[in-house]
Amino acid sequence: EAGVAQSPRYKIIEKRQSVAFWCNPISGHATLYWYQQILGQGPKLLIQFQNNGVVDDSQLPKDRFSAERLKGVDSTLKIQPAKLEDSAVYLCASSTQSGANVLTFGAGSRLTVL
Amino acid sequence: AQKITQTQPGMFVQEKEAVTLDCTYDTSDPSYGLFWYKQPSSGEMIFLIYQGSYDQQNATEGRYSLNFQKARKSANLVISASQLGDSAMYFCAMRPKTSYDKVIFGPGTSLSVIP
Repeated sequence: EAGVAQSPRYKIIEKRQSVAFWCNPISGHATLYWYQQILGQGPKLLIQFQNNGVVDDSQLPKDRFSAERLKGVDSTLKIQPAKLEDSAVYLCASSTQSGANVLTFGAGSRLTVL
Repeated sequence: AQKITQTQPGMFVQEKEAVTLDCTYDTSDPSYGLFWYKQPSSGEMIFLIYQGSYDQQNATEGRYSLNFQKARKSANLVISASQLGDSAMYFCAMRPKTSYDKVIFGPGTSLSVIP
């Protein structure tokens, strides 16, 4: 089966600019996650979708970050305006709702804010 | 609050030796799942092993085994016969069943395998 697709792989922007990341989960996976991973740290959950509804966005900086999952499939994560501290890898993952619910991750989108 | 602790920022192991990576967790949920992921320098997160809180047996997957001690809230990963390709970051993660299946990760342990 095809894996989790993410784009772009790399993005360099200046502070106060905007950026958007796209994720296409594994077909049939109802749950989609966006994580932020700062260099040297573990992934931090930003937002979790169940189909096209948000089930957790408690750690999403809502003044600058937004995310949507239209039709319960693809998802977009946007940052506007970006800050220096947003430099990180943004990981998208998806999982089923049965069994161990193992998360399958995409390759990540590395953001550098100058 | 749910939390994962990995107290070993960095570990070294000789090739072909076994190594244990520590993980402790904190949750009030009676039912939860525990995971280990590997992240090589290339950046992808690779699933290694899963343990359910009510599983009677410790999980094993090839050279990976999970030393699950529920009363101590620990879920240590044991890698047997280390290989050079095992050099990577290792993350312990937990999914409390009642928290909308939110998965939280620990800070990670960097493992270096020495030839």
